[in-house]
Amino acid sequence: DTGVSQDPRHKITKRGQNVTFRCDPISEHNRLYWYRQTLGQGPEFLTYFQNEAQLEKSRLLSDRFSAERPKGSFSTLEIQRTEQGDSAMYLCASTAGGNYNEQFFGPGTRLTVL
Amino acid sequence: GNSVTQMEGPVTLSEEAFLTINCTYTATGYPSLFWYVQYPGEGLQLLLKATKADDKGSNKGFEATYRKETTSFHLEKGSVQVSDSAVYFCALSDLLIGPLYSGGGADGLTFGKGTHLIIQP
Repeated sequence: DTGVSQDPRHKITKRGQNVTFRCDPISEHNRLYWYRQTLGQGPEFLTYFQNEAQLEKSRLLSDRFSAERPKGSFSTLEIQRTEQGDSAMYLCASTAGGNYNEQFFGPGTRLTVL
Repeated sequence: GNSVTQMEGPVTLSEEAFLTINCTYTATGYPSLFWYVQYPGEGLQLLLKATKADDKGSNKGFEATYRKETTSFHLEKGSVQVSDSAVYFCALSDLLIGPLYSGGGADGLTFGKGTHLIIQP
């Protein structure tokens, strides 16, 4: 199966620690997206990459968040000095682009900040 | 900015009942519209899509028609099954033309809050 994969699937950390998540998109998909989903809500857009370039960031993405896609393939999302409010499911999606922007989602990384 | 509003859940139906989940949207450009489904313990999956006005998306017995005049994309199914129990999300993607949009969410999907559907045997 060559779907979107994310690692780890679950992460528990203490407040103030740094965490890093990884996303491997479908191969040859040039666009990669990060979303955050809290309980009872739909996913909220965080940021996206066209190849290795980060082209857009949501206002939701505070300075403690940073994302990279160094070679235009996998991507990492780092959260520094985690807060309890960062607890959520972090979703990654990829698409080959095109006008209707059909995105394929990974299983997500569930972050719990104690 | 863009937004999607869908009916609150949970929606509880008996097997073989007719299903409608309402979805309306506001958008600044020319949106494509989607329904995603999240089965228990699984990730989001695209259920169906429509890319322009009057298009009808369909998959697995579900249908939704892009109604520009009412800015709606209601999901319907004629006869639901227990296996349809899941959370359904309506979403839009706005095709932006021109300079880089800085409003947040450019080229990302804007989702509704989701509707939890429970089908009882």
